[in-house]
Amino acid sequence: GNSVTQMEGPVTLSEEAFLTINCTYTATGYPSLFWYVQYPGEGLQLLLKATKADDKGSNKGFEATYRKETTSFHLEKGSVQVSDSAVYFCALSDGTGANNLFFGTGTRLTVIP
Amino acid sequence: ETGVTQTPRHLVMGMTNKKSLKCEQHLGHNAMYWYKQSAKKPLELMFVYNFKEQTENNSVPSRFSPECPNSSHLFLHLHTLQPEDSALYLCASSVREVGEETQYFGPGTRLLVL
Repeated sequence: GNSVTQMEGPVTLSEEAFLTINCTYTATGYPSLFWYVQYPGEGLQLLLKATKADDKGSNKGFEATYRKETTSFHLEKGSVQVSDSAVYFCALSDGTGANNLFFGTGTRLTVIP
Repeated sequence: ETGVTQTPRHLVMGMTNKKSLKCEQHLGHNAMYWYKQSAKKPLELMFVYNFKEQTENNSVPSRFSPECPNSSHLFLHLHTLQPEDSALYLCASSVREVGEETQYFGPGTRLLVL
């Protein structure tokens, strides 16, 4: 079946620290992989995505590389800001055209000045 | 502006009330979704509509009743809810075709059932 496992939070970092949030997946077929972000009081926003192995998604200084050999899609940012405080969700879509997304449980990030 | 709007943003209701949540998408998409987001749980997909036809119902209790009159509007009718139904209800839309799986979410309706 399809599932996503992401690291448990919460994660607390100082401003300008390096961020990694781990995400691994199990999938049948050829999934696309996503990171969504949810800021306080808001819905989910697409942060980045990758549609095939070795693709790198990037946006707002965040990056994630689709690693088929390790079934991973870890989120990284070199220098976090207070404004990055949010909940981050890893997700996959099964690539069948049904467009169903399978989400992880989310990781809450708090960045302190 | 995500292009997906939801009303109301907050709702408090008693267990005997009937209320409806509304979602509207301005993106020209042909698929719409309802999710339930509870604390410490993955997002739960509730319903999927593709070109106004319901294609998924993930064992959702009958006290939740969806309605999709056209590709731009989606409703979730609520009646005789339970306190455990308190959650954030998120609507999303997408283009439903291979290679275009990105879903766009609304801000959600925060529901409290007393």
